[in-house]
Amino acid sequence: GENVEQHPSTLSVQEGDSAVIKCTYSDSASNYFPWYKQELGKRPQLIIDIRSNVGEKKDQRIAVTLNKTAKHFSLHITETQPEDSAVYFCAASRDNNAGNMLTFGGGTRLMVKP
Amino acid sequence: DGGITQSPKYLFRKEGQNVTLSCEQNLNHDAMYWYRQDPGQGLRLIYYSQIVNDFQKGDIAEGYSVSREKKESFPLTVTSAQKNPTAFYLCASSMIAGSSYEQYFGPGTRLTVT
Repeated sequence: GENVEQHPSTLSVQEGDSAVIKCTYSDSASNYFPWYKQELGKRPQLIIDIRSNVGEKKDQRIAVTLNKTAKHFSLHITETQPEDSAVYFCAASRDNNAGNMLTFGGGTRLMVKP
Repeated sequence: DGGITQSPKYLFRKEGQNVTLSCEQNLNHDAMYWYRQDPGQGLRLIYYSQIVNDFQKGDIAEGYSVSREKKESFPLTVTSAQKNPTAFYLCASSMIAGSSYEQYFGPGTRLTVT
């Protein structure tokens, strides 16, 4: 089955700096890679996702890059703000009509210091 | 809040008792999922269902059971056979066809067994 490794497990940055979280996956058939943000005591929420036919996707201060050959993908947050502080999870799945079975990474706790 | 609800928010049980966690969605999603989240760890899949009256085991199904009698509902029973049931349980739902495979999460149930 799929295995997703996520690094680092904790990340502390100064407000305004950039943050990068990296994930690797094992199943070369995986083709859908979402990122979820979970604030303390709240539910995970999708912040951005990418499919394997695209190498990069941006949404304002957030971007995700995908390297299919190396089987890794990364989340980039620029101009970090205190409200970006949360736990971020990457995931991978095979996107097919039988459903969307996500395998999650272990999470990264991002702390943005004002 | 995404149209997926879980109850109760907090649940306390004595060891040896079965307990059922509720999950309801009004998003007309075909697929529903149960995850377990332990402190500092990622989400691990317990069970999933793609259609009414059908469900499959995830990575950590031992000691759990589910039913899917209605499209809107996917209750999870934590049985006395689950050796370490204290955890945060998250339910999610998604479409299984179309352009979006985003999983929408409920607010979670924190189960404590003593």
